[in-house]
Amino acid sequence: EAQVTQNPRYLITVTGKKLTVTCSQNMNHEYMSWYRQDPGLGLRQIYYSMNVEVTDKGDVPEGYKVSRKEKRNFPLILESPSPNQTSLYFCASSTTKRDSWDTEAFFGQGTRLTVV
Amino acid sequence: DQQVKQNSPSLSVQEGRISILNCDYTNSMFDYFLWYKKYPAEGPTFLISISSIKDKNEDGRFTVFLNKSAKHLSLHIVPSQPGDSAVYFCAARSVGLRGGSNYKLTFGKGTLLTVNP
Repeated sequence: EAQVTQNPRYLITVTGKKLTVTCSQNMNHEYMSWYRQDPGLGLRQIYYSMNVEVTDKGDVPEGYKVSRKEKRNFPLILESPSPNQTSLYFCASSTTKRDSWDTEAFFGQGTRLTVV
Repeated sequence: DQQVKQNSPSLSVQEGRISILNCDYTNSMFDYFLWYKKYPAEGPTFLISISSIKDKNEDGRFTVFLNKSAKHLSLHIVPSQPGDSAVYFCAARSVGLRGGSNYKLTFGKGTLLTVNP
């Protein structure tokens, strides 16, 4: 079954304690990205990656890091989490074929992060 | 600077009637537009898309219209069903910093659609 898997689904942590949210896809997609969803702000892109070792900043990259050492994994790293990073996070993957992009774009189930 | 705007936070319609969700954009470089549907506690799922070179795309009960001169697109759902109740996000694709197939997606804030039985 084609899927994007995020872990953990829920996380409560304290300010300043480094954490990593993992994302893995089994579709051999080149493109992966991270979004955060906040009330009244919709989905905002944090980082994206078009392939292994290639990452780019999205619209709200401050306070986040990513890495793409393998094609299937795209972890999101918060080196020093702050309360304003409390949010619902989604990982997504898709092909980079121009005309197939929409039908092969998948989102994970989400990770609800609370930073106290 | 919000490049993709969904100005209606919510919309309520009766079952069997038409639902029309609207989206405006400002960036002329967007080449593809997508609609995603999101239920609570789930990730967004792709619904329908349209290329910037077309003005209409239809898939079953869902039709997306694009008016490039007005930088406006809309999603029509006919007939609306209670199971369509969800948040609908409009998204637009542009080429990222590295060019080529490096695509960047920009989302609107979403519209909560409620279809009443």
